[in-house]
Amino acid sequence: AQSVTQPDIHITVSEGASLELRCNYSYGATPYLFWYVQSPGQGLQLLLKYFSGDTLVQGIKGFEAEFKRSQSSFNLRKPSVHWSDAAEYFCAVVTRGTGTASKLTFGTGTRLQVTL
Amino acid sequence: KAGVTQTPRYLIKTRGQQVTLSCSPISGHRSVSWYQQTPGQGLQFLFEYFSETQRNKGNFPGRFSGRQFSNSRSEMNVSTLELGDSALYLCASRLGTEAFFGQGTRLTVV
Repeated sequence: AQSVTQPDIHITVSEGASLELRCNYSYGATPYLFWYVQSPGQGLQLLLKYFSGDTLVQGIKGFEAEFKRSQSSFNLRKPSVHWSDAAEYFCAVVTRGTGTASKLTFGTGTRLQVTL
Repeated sequence: KAGVTQTPRYLIKTRGQQVTLSCSPISGHRSVSWYQQTPGQGLQFLFEYFSETQRNKGNFPGRFSGRQFSNSRSEMNVSTLELGDSALYLCASRLGTEAFFGQGTRLTVV
């Protein structure tokens, strides 16, 4: 079965420091991969997505992610973290059902804390 | 354009009651999915509707049901509420493969 693993439950970084959040997936075919961010009590906002092509994808809020097929990874990065980036981050993969049915399978999330 | 709208935002119900949550997708989006988010189980897929038909279903008991109307608005219903149903229920509308989420309905069962 398809799955997504986010090995880090909680990460703390200082404002201005670089950030990398890890994501590994298990999926038989070429995956559609996503990173979402969730602020407390809010819904999920899409940061970026990978479908095909260039393996380095740019997203909103200065985030980027790199798809590495050989490592089954899709790690999220940001060169300089801002205090407003504190939130929970979810990696997800689209898994196919029958026909065009599909669903998102999420990792367990990584909570990012930013210290000033 | 307007985003995904979920109503109500907060809800408190008693065990054994039933509840209906509503989701209005982005205009033009015909696919609506529902997810349950809890601290213990994380984000779990409930079901997906497209053109008024359920076409994908997660591993939840039959107490969880849904429907979609001709204008793509969707409702989910939970009957005979249990304490463990307390969660944030998120709706997502989809065009192609990209899903857009609402702010969710926080359901508390007491």
